[in-house]
Amino acid sequence: DVKVTQSSRYLVKRTGEKVFLECVQDMDHENMFWYRQDPGLGLRLIYFSYDVKMKEKGDIPEGYSVSREKKERFSLILESASTNQTSMYLCATRASNTEAFFGQGTRLTVV
Amino acid sequence: QKEVEQNSGPLSVPEGAIASLNCTYSDRGSQSFFWYRQYSGKSPELIMSIYSNGDKEDGRFTAQLNKASQYVSLLIRDSQPSDSATYLCAVPPLGNFNKFYFGSGTKLNVKP
Repeated sequence: DVKVTQSSRYLVKRTGEKVFLECVQDMDHENMFWYRQDPGLGLRLIYFSYDVKMKEKGDIPEGYSVSREKKERFSLILESASTNQTSMYLCATRASNTEAFFGQGTRLTVV
Repeated sequence: QKEVEQNSGPLSVPEGAIASLNCTYSDRGSQSFFWYRQYSGKSPELIMSIYSNGDKEDGRFTAQLNKASQYVSLLIRDSQPSDSATYLCAVPPLGNFNKFYFGSGTKLNVKP
């Protein structure tokens, strides 16, 4: 069975903190994605990775960075959290030309 | 123009009716199309994929694809209150099929 696991379901952080969101997949998929989802704005792509150590910016990369040191793990880093980064963060994985599978989501609140 | 567009709704239908959800996309070369369902507070889950023009049926769900008109639709027959959710359309563009763009979703309410 397909499994995409995000490290936290709920997270509360303070403004200015460095925040790490972790995503692990067990499907050996090449592609991994980080999205954020906000009411009325849908799913917006932050970054994606198509191979180990490879990454591409999505539509809203500002304020975020990513790391993919191993094929199964893709990390999203908020260098200095701000209140406008309060959101639901979704990790997804995908083999080429197939559907995407999602983790359970991390609801991040920055206070 | 957004890559994938959907009517945000909400779309309200009575229980037992057919719900029709539509999606248009901008990349004429796109080859694969996906419908996801997302319950409130949960992550999206795949319900249908379609790759060829025409209809594809799976239980109460039918996906319809028209590449010439660049739209894909989802029909839900015999709608149930448990179908109440937001439905997301996803279309990877041909030029960069590693990306995976989603529409903003259509909220469906099925009234008992």
